[in-house]
Amino acid sequence: AQTVTQSQPEMSVQEAETVTLSCTYDTSENNYYLFWYKQPPSRQMILVIRQEAYKQQNATENRFSVNFQKAAKSFSLKISDSQLGDTAMYFCAFMKHVVNSGYALNFGKGTSLLVTP
Amino acid sequence: DTGVSQNPRHKITKRGQNVTFRCDPISEHNRLYWYRQTLGQGPEFLTYFQNEAQLEKSRLLSDRFSAERPKGSFSTLEIQRTEQGDSAMYLCASSLERVSLEAFFGQGTRLTVV
Repeated sequence: AQTVTQSQPEMSVQEAETVTLSCTYDTSENNYYLFWYKQPPSRQMILVIRQEAYKQQNATENRFSVNFQKAAKSFSLKISDSQLGDTAMYFCAFMKHVVNSGYALNFGKGTSLLVTP
Repeated sequence: DTGVSQNPRHKITKRGQNVTFRCDPISEHNRLYWYRQTLGQGPEFLTYFQNEAQLEKSRLLSDRFSAERPKGSFSTLEIQRTEQGDSAMYLCASSLERVSLEAFFGQGTRLTVV
């Protein structure tokens, strides 16, 4: 079974600053995907960024980037130039890569991020 | 298309009653997932449909839970003889096979069992 651990229940950052959210995972799989999802208050969860385990290059999406360390099983999210709209719960998630599988997501407990003016 | 739609948004029920939730996925998406999210936890996988076929069920899905996806379109999740431990947010997500691994989530149905 795969476990996803987010060790920071809550974090706070000032607007325009940079913040890093941590995530570690445990798996015996070699092929898998990692995700960061954002869940704003009372709104649906949306995908922030995705990383394929076979890719060495870290994924980047505008102000969001990851530091993927496969050997250490670490997958942190860096948010640059934080904005008030970044305030949300952030979930790290793991997906096995199995042909014809259900592609179910295995989530961590989440990190609540508050961006302050 | 307005995304994944879930109804109702909130449901309060007495212990022992049956409840049914509905999920309308994005129209062309053939994969549909149900997750359960309790307070302070991340979503936990319940079950998955590819078109109308239910292909995977979590051990969390007890005999009191049943899900259907007739005709491969909308899906329903029914909980029979509800218990207080069933109180949670029930999330539905959909995705399109072979195009993207991104799952699109609905806003969820919050169930409170009193």
